[in-house]
Amino acid sequence: DAGITQSPRHKVTETGTPVTLRCHQTENHRYMYWYRQDPGHGLRLIHYSYGVKDTDKGEVSDGYSVSRSKTEDFLLTLESATSSQTSVYFCAISVRDRVETQYFGPGTRLLVL
Amino acid sequence: TQLLEQSPQFLSIQEGENLTVYCNSSSVFSSLQWYRQEPGEGPVLLVTVVTGGEVKKLKRLTFQFGDARKDSSLHITAAQPGDTGLYLCAGTQGGSEKLVFGKGTKLTVNP
Repeated sequence: DAGITQSPRHKVTETGTPVTLRCHQTENHRYMYWYRQDPGHGLRLIHYSYGVKDTDKGEVSDGYSVSRSKTEDFLLTLESATSSQTSVYFCAISVRDRVETQYFGPGTRLLVL
Repeated sequence: TQLLEQSPQFLSIQEGENLTVYCNSSSVFSSLQWYRQEPGEGPVLLVTVVTGGEVKKLKRLTFQFGDARKDSSLHITAAQPGDTGLYLCAGTQGGSEKLVFGKGTKLTVNP
């Protein structure tokens, strides 16, 4: 347990509405990541952060934005949700700034109708 | 193009059997990781291998990194129902700050 929580754990929303998912960590790690997991695609990186206000895009960043105003919180926003964004979203942290040592949160299951 | 190919995609075996899961690439990786994920939960890191030819053991699980650092395998001896889950390999390349994941192998061990 790397002290990672995600909220909400489940959400149902309608197409076109904004949605924000929160990832919170308690151990002050610098690197944080957002992934989505879909059948047939595995885990794909959306965005990541290497410090407060320092973020970069991942493999599937279109339609998503992120913010990190505090070390402990990394927010993922879907500005205008689409059905293709129905997925399970996982947050992860890197321990000791080592990208290969990532620990994952419990996930948020998002359904966009 | 998937950078890391896992095989098989699905595997259903009886308790007590042995099995091997493969993670292959045409690219060199600095390190490879294996994760296990249970339904409704996040992936849990099992092991990291960083040296070509490296072998690591975790109870009944044996992980190997290929000599050329392009592939890895996970061998489970005498599988138990508690081994059921999705096994994911992931890797890092060069100085990248990102992990690349395979699509996973879904293992079912029947009692």
